[in-house]
Amino acid sequence: DTGVSQDPRHKITKRGQNVTFRCDPISEHNRLYWYRQTLGQGPEFLTYFQNEAQLEKSRLLSDRFSAERPKGSFSTLEIQRTEQGDSAMYLCASSLPGGGEQYFGPGTRLTVT
Amino acid sequence: GQNIDQPTEMTATEGAIVQINCTYQTSGFNGLFWYQQHAGEAPTFLSYNVLDGLEEKGRFSSFLSRSKGYSYLLLKELQMKDSASYLCAVLKAGANNLFFGTGTRLTVIP
Repeated sequence: DTGVSQDPRHKITKRGQNVTFRCDPISEHNRLYWYRQTLGQGPEFLTYFQNEAQLEKSRLLSDRFSAERPKGSFSTLEIQRTEQGDSAMYLCASSLPGGGEQYFGPGTRLTVT
Repeated sequence: GQNIDQPTEMTATEGAIVQINCTYQTSGFNGLFWYQQHAGEAPTFLSYNVLDGLEEKGRFSSFLSRSKGYSYLLLKELQMKDSASYLCAVLKAGANNLFFGTGTRLTVIP
């Protein structure tokens, strides 16, 4: 399978714990995006990488959130001191140089209890 | 900022045609995307319009009018598997991320 992959698919954690998600984009895609989606809403942009550089961050990305893409390939999204409001589907997408169509991964569903 | 509006829910009959509308207001525009999302799954790309007019791809077509800030997705010969949410998303000029509407949940009935 050469699509975007994400791990884990589901995560249940207790409030206050830290969690980390991984995204592996399509190999020739240098652009990588993180979105968050809650029930009944469309995805909301969190952050964007071009190669290893994090070029944009949404105001939704509080200081408890950090994302990295150390070698310009896979990316990680970490949430520290999770809160119940962090419960959502976290989607990763990638696209070719120049932008255009974004291909989404299956998402990581986070439940904070 | 940008406002993207689409109906929350629609119901249509198997074999019929349905049109899902999307209106948007944005400061700068660089294209409009339609995605399909089945419950619990990732959005999958359907279409991309950057110029005015109709783009046809099999049973699905998408139309754009930039002057009116309006797009629609047309689904023909509806099948039960078309029951899903359809997301309208705008790419702003100078931006890299997509701005999504809340999605239209389409239910296809026999």
